Amino acid sequence: NAGVMQNPRHLVRRRGQEARLRCSPMKGHSHVYWYRQLPEEGLKFMVYLQKENIIDESGMPKERFSAEFPKEGPSILRIQQVVRGDSAAYFCASSPPYDTNTGELFFGEGSRLTVL
Amino acid sequence: AQSVTQLDSQVPVFEEAPVELRCNYSSSVSVYLFWYVQYPNQGLQLLLKYLSGSTLVKGINGFEAEFNKSQTSFHLRKPSVHISDTAEYFCAVRAGSARQLTFGSGTQLTVLP
Repeated sequence: NAGVMQNPRHLVRRRGQEARLRCSPMKGHSHVYWYRQLPEEGLKFMVYLQKENIIDESGMPKERFSAEFPKEGPSILRIQQVVRGDSAAYFCASSPPYDTNTGELFFGEGSRLTVL
Repeated sequence: AQSVTQLDSQVPVFEEAPVELRCNYSSSVSVYLFWYVQYPNQGLQLLLKYLSGSTLVKGINGFEAEFNKSQTSFHLRKPSVHISDTAEYFCAVRAGSARQLTFGSGTQLTVLP
């Protein structure tokens, strides 16, 4: 049973370019969460999605950032016109569609974005 | 809104010594509590979780944690650490009906030979 798959693991972009990060949840999971980890900091919640729906985007920056989780295919976190401050590790997590009363999130290995 | 405070950013300890990593939370509703471990350049792995029932929770790799509602704490302990325990440890809370977790800022545990 494959875990949460993220790609690319490492991404280098120049200022002003676009970054696209992909996340395939664990099999049977339909809830996806994106977190950002800045150097020497903890994980900050960005957005929570179900298939074709954004449930909570309270942690998303108001500009340049967007996320989607289409009916088919992986969830995508998109950062337009990247700036150096976007350099971070972006983690995706997933959870099952029903309330199993565990609350546990299953994390991927992360995508590390470096903006030159 | 809920929050998590990890009081120590760095904890150095000698091999085979006991360790306690502190975590306090703030929430106005019922909570579920978690400890995750992150090894360098890797994702987060669940160590243990408290959902309900016994306040002493045992996890993987010999770790345990105790939920103390009156002190709003969920400290992580291990009686004897190994070099391989060197990693970043994160405390997290899920409050009420929220699905996402709120994380603390992390504690870097360094086990010295």
